Amino acid sequence: QLQLQESGPGLVRPSETLSLTCTVSGDSISSGTSYWGWIRQPPGKGLEWIGTINYSGSTYYNPSLKSRVTISVDTSKNQFSLKLSSVTAADTAVYYCARHMYYYDSSGYLCTSPGGYWGQGTLVTVSS
Amino acid sequence: SYELTQPPSVSVSPGQTARITCSGDSLPKKYAYWYQQKSGQAPVLVIYEDSKRPSGIPERFSGSSSGTVATLTISGAQVEDEADYYCYSTDSSGNHRGVFGGGTKLTVL
Repeated sequence: QLQLQESGPGLVRPSETLSLTCTVSGDSISSGTSYWGWIRQPPGKGLEWIGTINYSGSTYYNPSLKSRVTISVDTSKNQFSLKLSSVTAADTAVYYCARHMYYYDSSGYLCTSPGGYWGQGTLVTVSS
Repeated sequence: SYELTQPPSVSVSPGQTARITCSGDSLPKKYAYWYQQKSGQAPVLVIYEDSKRPSGIPERFSGSSSGTVATLTISGAQVEDEADYYCYSTDSSGNHRGVFGGGTKLTVL
């Protein structure tokens, strides 16, 4: 059974870098059959897509976060990670990792979407 | 920036049909996905690629898409279907940006 588990600090100081890791079990990232990504949800608010990565390190980011976000993959550990720099209170949220499905549209553009496997989520609070 | 628009709330009585819409300019070219999120839990995929239902999702959940509007239909809604529902799709540019709708609170009572 595929499982994803987020890990990382629950408290980050303003202006510092938020770092989270998602450990995948029950599937191999290096199989190349999926993309892997991050989604967040501020308390009481909706979902926000952050970005995705594949086994070879190809990344796609939300333009609104692109200047501060880095997603990386470590296939040897079957993990992928999120770094968000220069955080503020607005980055306080539950962060989810999820396996992503993908397809190519009629124009040949890649499209990915969170699939049926998500981590339980981890709350990250930005506060001094 | 690209947006997907959902009604903030929908309310039905048990056994009635609930319909939740999602509007977006790229939907004629891109698939829509639907997620159910109950309080304190991670979202669950209930519809993918406009109208496909993952294994384990009850048959009362169905999806459709026409033009710029995707619709999630729950036929014979149950009390346990009360939750927030989010649509998701990607923008029409080649840069691949994923976008969630603002979410719809479904009340079944």
